Amino acid sequence: DSGVTQTPKHLITATGQRVTLRCSPRSGDLSVYWYQQSLDQGLQFLIQYYNGEERAKGNILERFSAQQFPDLHSELNLSSLELGDSALYFCASTRGSSSYNEQFFGPGTRLTVL
Amino acid sequence: QQQVKQSPQSLIVQKGGISIINCAYENTAFDYFPWYQQFPGKGPALLIAIRPDVSEKKEGRFTISFNKSAKQFSLHIMDSQPGDSATYFCAASGYSGGGADGLTFGKGTHLIIQP
Repeated sequence: DSGVTQTPKHLITATGQRVTLRCSPRSGDLSVYWYQQSLDQGLQFLIQYYNGEERAKGNILERFSAQQFPDLHSELNLSSLELGDSALYFCASTRGSSSYNEQFFGPGTRLTVL
Repeated sequence: QQQVKQSPQSLIVQKGGISIINCAYENTAFDYFPWYQQFPGKGPALLIAIRPDVSEKKEGRFTISFNKSAKQFSLHIMDSQPGDSATYFCAASGYSGGGADGLTFGKGTHLIIQP
């Protein structure tokens, strides 16, 4: 158990809808990363937040957004969903802001868009 | 653009054998190279990592070999065991554009250790 929690575990929705994925980092970790894992694209970095502020951006679509709250939990919002957004979404947390730190991954949220 | 290329896609090794997975990167700004292990239904977990100031790092049965000039690095699993059967991802990160980025992952290698 990495200490990172993600909810929900599974999410099934329809095209055009909006969903919110939630991540609670390990106790004491200030940084949260979001990744998308799909069969064709593999594991892709989406975005990083550190202590409430956006720190780095990867291949995140404009339809996607994220935020980190004062209690350090983070939410990833996916809107105008398309079939291709079906994937596993992981969050990971680290103590500091540097990607050189070990990233602890949560169990993931499996999103299915029908 | 795939910045980290990983091979092979799948690998079958006999118990007790050596498993070797290779990765190549393009971005010279990368300066941290971790390997992650993922079991079905779980998130990836850090196995071992290396910085480019050393050519090799060993932790138990796991060794990373790093060739900076060739921009290649590899994972060797000695005395492979059935419990090592998992998907392995190489990754890279480094500062670019003034800030640290998340990890750039290879596509993964599905490793099966046959008893």
